[in-house]
Amino acid sequence: RKEVEQDPGPFNVPEGATVAFNCTYSNSASQSFFWYRQDCRKEPKLLMSVYSSGNEDGRFTAQLNRASQYISLLIRDSKLSDSATYLCVVNTYNFNKFYFGSGTKLNVKP
Amino acid sequence: ETGVTQTPRHLVMGMTNKKSLKCEQHLGHNAMYWYKQSAKKPLELMFVYSLEERVENNSVPSRFSPECPNSSHLFLHLHTLQPEDSALYLCASSQDVGDEQFFGPGTRLTVL
Repeated sequence: RKEVEQDPGPFNVPEGATVAFNCTYSNSASQSFFWYRQDCRKEPKLLMSVYSSGNEDGRFTAQLNRASQYISLLIRDSKLSDSATYLCVVNTYNFNKFYFGSGTKLNVKP
Repeated sequence: ETGVTQTPRHLVMGMTNKKSLKCEQHLGHNAMYWYKQSAKKPLELMFVYSLEERVENNSVPSRFSPECPNSSHLFLHLHTLQPEDSALYLCASSQDVGDEQFFGPGTRLTVL
């Protein structure tokens, strides 16, 4: 079983739509969680950390569900510029182990 | 933009060549990382350094040799690579191991 799993998509949504991605992780001892976005042929860029109580940054909301071992990312009022691949990152109890998901591709269309 | 720079941005090398990738971070971070990203695969963590000490080596072949002379610089020395080593090599840094990481633009490596 993979450490981190994501639906590869693509998710094709119109501008203004709300879209949500989930990411499941296998190690219950995982301690920190992040969402990154990666544009084509570019480096990953930190979108937001994911806190236990959930957190929001503008149109983006991240949630953590430890019982079911998944994190989610909700994007409201999608913009064309949100088109990218969204990567889920999980850091296990051993701080030296970072696992990236394969990413979920989002296409926002006019 | 992110405070992490990498050179060169593109590299083509033969299997018998020796080359080095360089990474520099201007963020005052204590931890630095090397990742490999192959097409259609997730990022693979290769090496982790904390305060210039290697703390993780994820079963990477010895033809990849990292070096961290100080907390701002990280090198990846390449020797006798194989065509399957062609990939995007990304450097990242974080305040401490386990914190949010900031990536450099990567070196796109092609091994002929």
